[in-house]
Amino acid sequence: DSGVTQTPKHLITATGQRVTLRCSPRSGDLSVYWYQQSLDQGLQFLIQYYNGEERAKGNILERFSAQQFPDLHSELNLSSLELGDSALYFCASSAGNLGRNNEQFFGPGTRLTVL
Amino acid sequence: GESVGLHLPTLSVQEGDNSIINCAYSNSASDYFIWYKQESGKGPQFIIDIRSNMDKRQGQRVTVLLNKTVKHLSLQIAATQPGDSAVYFCAENRGYGQNFVFGPGTRLSVLP
Repeated sequence: DSGVTQTPKHLITATGQRVTLRCSPRSGDLSVYWYQQSLDQGLQFLIQYYNGEERAKGNILERFSAQQFPDLHSELNLSSLELGDSALYFCASSAGNLGRNNEQFFGPGTRLTVL
Repeated sequence: GESVGLHLPTLSVQEGDNSIINCAYSNSASDYFIWYKQESGKGPQFIIDIRSNMDKRQGQRVTVLLNKTVKHLSLQIAATQPGDSAVYFCAENRGYGQNFVFGPGTRLSVLP
């Protein structure tokens, strides 16, 4: 158990819908990272927050947004969902910024299926 | 559990042998690298990292080698065990404020 929790574990929804994925980092960790993992594109970094502020951005679509709240939990919002958004979404956390010299701990993931 | 990358390259090794997993990275400006292990149905797990001012770093049963000249990273696992069976990813970071870019992964299969 990494100490990072993600809810829900599984999510099934329809195209065009909007969903919110939630992540609670390990106690004391200030950074939260979101990743998407699909069979055809592997693991892709989406976005990172450090202590409530956005710090790094990866291949995140405009239809997707995220935020980190004062209690350090984070939410990833996915809107206007398409079939291609079906994937595993992982959250990770680390004590410091950007995971450099700070180990990233991954949650168990949320499996999103868009029908 | 979930299957990750059904068509990943696979490395099969005998239990007790050493494993070497390779990764070619793309950006010569990358200066920080991480190896991750992902078991079926789980999230990636940090194994070891290395900065570009080093060419070798050792952990417990694992060694990472970095060759900046040819932009190549390798992960060596000593005395491979059944519990090492997983998909292994390398990730490169291109500097402060930049994102991590992950390799496609290699599936390690440990044979009894």
